[in-house]
Amino acid sequence: DAKTTQPPSMDCAEGRAANLPCNHSTISGNEYVYWYRQIHSQGPQYIIHGLKNNETNEMASLIITEDRKSSTLILPHATLRDTAVYYCIATHSGGYQKVTFGIGTKLQVIP
Amino acid sequence: SAVISQKPSRDICQRGTSLTIQCQVDSQVTMMFWYRQQPGQSLTLIATANQGSEATYESGFVIDKFPISRPNLTFSTLTVSNMSPEDSSIYLCSVGLAGTYEQYFGPGTRLTVT
Repeated sequence: DAKTTQPPSMDCAEGRAANLPCNHSTISGNEYVYWYRQIHSQGPQYIIHGLKNNETNEMASLIITEDRKSSTLILPHATLRDTAVYYCIATHSGGYQKVTFGIGTKLQVIP
Repeated sequence: SAVISQKPSRDICQRGTSLTIQCQVDSQVTMMFWYRQQPGQSLTLIATANQGSEATYESGFVIDKFPISRPNLTFSTLTVSNMSPEDSSIYLCSVGLAGTYEQYFGPGTRLTVT
């Protein structure tokens, strides 16, 4: 898996968009970018993944730069329930492959 | 998707004893993974458990300390043997499903060793 770099913590006001950056400058052409989050005292939860196109689902949007060296996870309207540690992972396949978790970004949504 | 349950949800154990953690999945899966999350840390993979074969352990983890069983496609156990306070962690299992990209995680077992 390619190494990923994330800020250790971020704050976001409730109702505003949370933009979580991730650097993965050594990502290879067939590695996907995955995002998981871990709410306190729970198991990690899959959010979204992408290869090179921007992706959107009911939880979030994923913006990947054209050179694929970085990406941004966007939570469009952050709520208090979005307070969690967010992990950005670059891997060939998230389902059948082991997942290597980094430190992640601790997102605190503030009322 | 997959629904994963773990037993026990938490336990307090004495030094030198062993604890077996169970992971049950609501569908048949090929790949199961066991992770450890020490206090304030990220998740670390312990081993990959495939049904019908020996578990594959990551560097720093050995079978004598963390024996794993995988008797069928919906169930696995992880035993933490001869426990010490350093084994106090959250232990999580996860699965990958055919045809999907994501992994699904159980709620974890919070272990405290005194």
